[in-house]
Parts: sequence; C-alpha cells; structure tokens
Amino acid sequence: ETGVTQSPTHLIKTRGQQVTLRCSSQSGHNTVSWYQQALGQGPQFIFQYYREEENGRGNFPPRFSGLQFPNYSSELNVNALELDDSALYLCASSLEGRAYFGPGTRLTVT
Amino acid sequence: KQEVTQIPAALSVPEGENLVLNCSFTDSAIYNLQWFRQDPGKGLTSLLLIQSSQREQTSGRLNASLDKSSGRSTLYIAASQPGDSATYLCAVDDGGATNKLIFGTGTLLAVQP
Repeated sequence: ETGVTQSPTHLIKTRGQQVTLRCSSQSGHNTVSWYQQALGQGPQFIFQYYREEENGRGNFPPRFSGLQFPNYSSELNVNALELDDSALYLCASSLEGRAYFGPGTRLTVT
Repeated sequence: KQEVTQIPAALSVPEGENLVLNCSFTDSAIYNLQWFRQDPGKGLTSLLLIQSSQREQTSGRLNASLDKSSGRSTLYIAASQPGDSATYLCAVDDGGATNKLIFGTGTLLAVQP
C-alpha cells in the first residue's frame, strides 16, 4: 500500500463532456504528479503540483488542468473529452525522490 | 529529449529461472532511476530506486544496476515465481525542477509454473 488513493476507479464519459478525477496523497507529501497511461504504453507526465502551484507540465493541451489542496488532495480536470483521452490516469506523490503511485482511474470515452 | 527504451517487450520463462530485464536511456544526466511493477489494470508499485551516484540496489530476489555513462540499467530477478508475472517499467527522473518521471514502455513478464 502506497497510501495514495484515487477515485473513481472506473469512469465512462461521452466525447465532449468534462471529467474530474481525484487523488488523495500521503500527509507530508507536498508534490503530486499526474500521468496518463494509454493501453500498452508507459505513463506520460501530464503535470505536477507543489504546494498548490503548478510546477511543470508535459505535452498536454490546456483542457487538462489541475488543482492541489492544502489537505494533500488533488484533482485532474479534463474538458471537451476526446476518444484518445481514454486511458488509465495515475497520480503520484513524491518524497525524497521516490514516487508513490495510486491505483489509477480507468477513463473510457465513447 | 530523454527517451527510455525497454527490451524485451515481453518475456516468458519457466518458474525458478533467473532473468534480466533491460532499460536504456538516451541522456545520462539523470537524478535517479526507478523500477516499477504493474499488475494488469492496476497502479505502479515501486520496486527499487537507484540514485545517480549509486551503482546498484538490492531488495530480496531483485537487484537493479545502473551504468549512467552507457545509459543502461538492468533488473535481475532471481529464482522467478509465478507471482512475479507482471509488467515491469523503468523510469528516469531527469532531475529538473519538476522531477518528472520518463517511462519506458515496459516488459511484460510471464513466469510459467
């Protein structure tokens, strides 16, 4: 157990809709990162938050946005969903260089 | 741009065999390298973390080595068991401001009983 939880476990949305995914990381882990993992691929970095501020972003469009809260929870929001957004979304908190991943949210866009 | 490659993409071995998984990266300026295990449809479990100044790390039947100069890491699994069946991913932390992880595409390991 990594102490990182994500909700929901699975989600089905229609193209064009908006979705919010949630993550709760361990107390004291000030950094949270979000990754997208398409089937058969390695995870791709979306963005990272440190102390509630975005601290870096991967090659993802602005319709991917996030928030981090003081209670070590965070959100990933995706607007105008596209079919290619179907993937496993992983959040990870970090401490001393080691990443602790949650179980992921499986998003299916139809 | 850092790129991470893992070979083989898939591996099937009989139970009890020792095996080696390979990971290579194009830019040697890394902060650390991590090996993860992923069961189907699940999240990632960190197996070993090697800092850039280290050569290897061991945990139980697992041993990971790092050769920064050649851009290579190996994960050695001794006396494989069916429970070791999973996808193994390596990831490098490029040490930038974000400490983002750059992943390979993984090696799917099947250990046959």
